[in-house]
Amino acid sequence: SQQGEEDPQALSIQEGENATMNCSYKTSINNLQWYRQNSGRGLVHLILIRSNEREKHSGRLRVTLDTSKKSSSLLITASRAADTASYFCATDGSGGSYIPTFGRGTSLIVHP
Amino acid sequence: NAGVTQTPKFQVLKTGQSMTLQCAQDMNHNSMYWYRQDPGMGLRLIYYSASEGTTDKGEVPNGYNVSRLNKREFSLRLESAAPSQTSVYFCASSERDLYGYTFGSGTRLTVV
Repeated sequence: SQQGEEDPQALSIQEGENATMNCSYKTSINNLQWYRQNSGRGLVHLILIRSNEREKHSGRLRVTLDTSKKSSSLLITASRAADTASYFCATDGSGGSYIPTFGRGTSLIVHP
Repeated sequence: NAGVTQTPKFQVLKTGQSMTLQCAQDMNHNSMYWYRQDPGMGLRLIYYSASEGTTDKGEVPNGYNVSRLNKREFSLRLESAAPSQTSVYFCASSERDLYGYTFGSGTRLTVV
């Protein structure tokens, strides 16, 4: 069963706008990761945030983590057509389990 | 380029045939994983190997077997393929939770 669930399932925006997608999970975690998948390709790791961190930045990406709400958000600022992809969150368990569990993903379309 | 290499990229099997999907990584990672990705289902873990010499079942192991041949290689075998195993298969590796997971480009398998 999925640990993390992304929301929304699909998002369509114009180039230059910001895109925000969310991830909720059920049990406590060691860390949470975000991945991008372009159509027909493998997943690419974007950013990892640990359970004791609240916010992390990488270029145009900003990830927040709220462990009290068991949720995370990924913000892509000033989006580009090349950001069109599916985005997945992955979590692993704090009970000694490091096995990543993925959500179903958010499909982002950025219109030029 | 360093990373995870999967072979083959595409395969069509008849029901009942067997085949082995190969995966190799050159990053000296201890952990390796096999996932399948189906539309609307996200990625589901089939088997994983936390370290050389160990393998464990994931969420959907039925109909599959794995072999961790050495630290670099982790193969997935379908003994008697079924149409329900039509999917895209991804191999991934990691060094526990330090830097995220590196994925291969996938094997698109069709069972007719």
